[in-house]
Amino acid sequence: EVQLVESGGGLVQPGASLKLSCVASGFTFSDYWMSWVRQTPGKTMEWIGDIKYDGSYTNYAPSLKNRFTISRDNAKSTLYLQMSNVRSEDTATYYCTLNNYGWFAYWGQGTLVTVSS
Amino acid sequence: DIQMTQSPASLSASPEEIVTITCQASQDIGNWLAWYQQKPGKSPQLLIYSATSLADGIPSRFSGSRSGTQYSLKISRLQVEDTGIYYCLQRYSNPYTFGAGTKLELK
Repeated sequence: EVQLVESGGGLVQPGASLKLSCVASGFTFSDYWMSWVRQTPGKTMEWIGDIKYDGSYTNYAPSLKNRFTISRDNAKSTLYLQMSNVRSEDTATYYCTLNNYGWFAYWGQGTLVTVSS
Repeated sequence: DIQMTQSPASLSASPEEIVTITCQASQDIGNWLAWYQQKPGKSPQLLIYSATSLADGIPSRFSGSRSGTQYSLKISRLQVEDTGIYYCLQRYSNPYTFGAGTKLELK
């Protein structure tokens, strides 16, 4: 059974940095592209970016690429999202997803990030 | 950016009814469209991919169709557990964009 478990969310001050993790199990992590998607409190969904199965390529939403970095450690079956200079509009639930033929086929339970002073 | 205009924003229907949700793409996206269901308090789940293909484990009551740049999700024989928010997603070009969502409530 595919499992994706995000962690690392919480209350963070504007301008700070935060690193989210997503531990994967139930499939061969190193075989799949992965992505991050976020959902605002108002339920708006936003794609953040993708990472290739070997970590050699990343693709980001242009509005976020200067502040967000996606990486992975295949030995640990873990996906990461490094967020820097966070803003109030980054307040959202962050989901990692397993991509199958380009589609977000499986989603984690999400981790909530709240940006506030 | 490709805009996905989803309608209606909300919908109330009775069990066993048929409902249709649509997404209009602002430009051609081919079949690079998916539909997701998000039940209350849960993560989104893939229902339909490539505009018309049913994802694994999804009941055949759900179906997707395409007419040009308009995409539709049809839910037949509505059941109480279909309550939730439905989103379309285009994966044709960066940035990949979602529709604003349709909140479906069962009467």
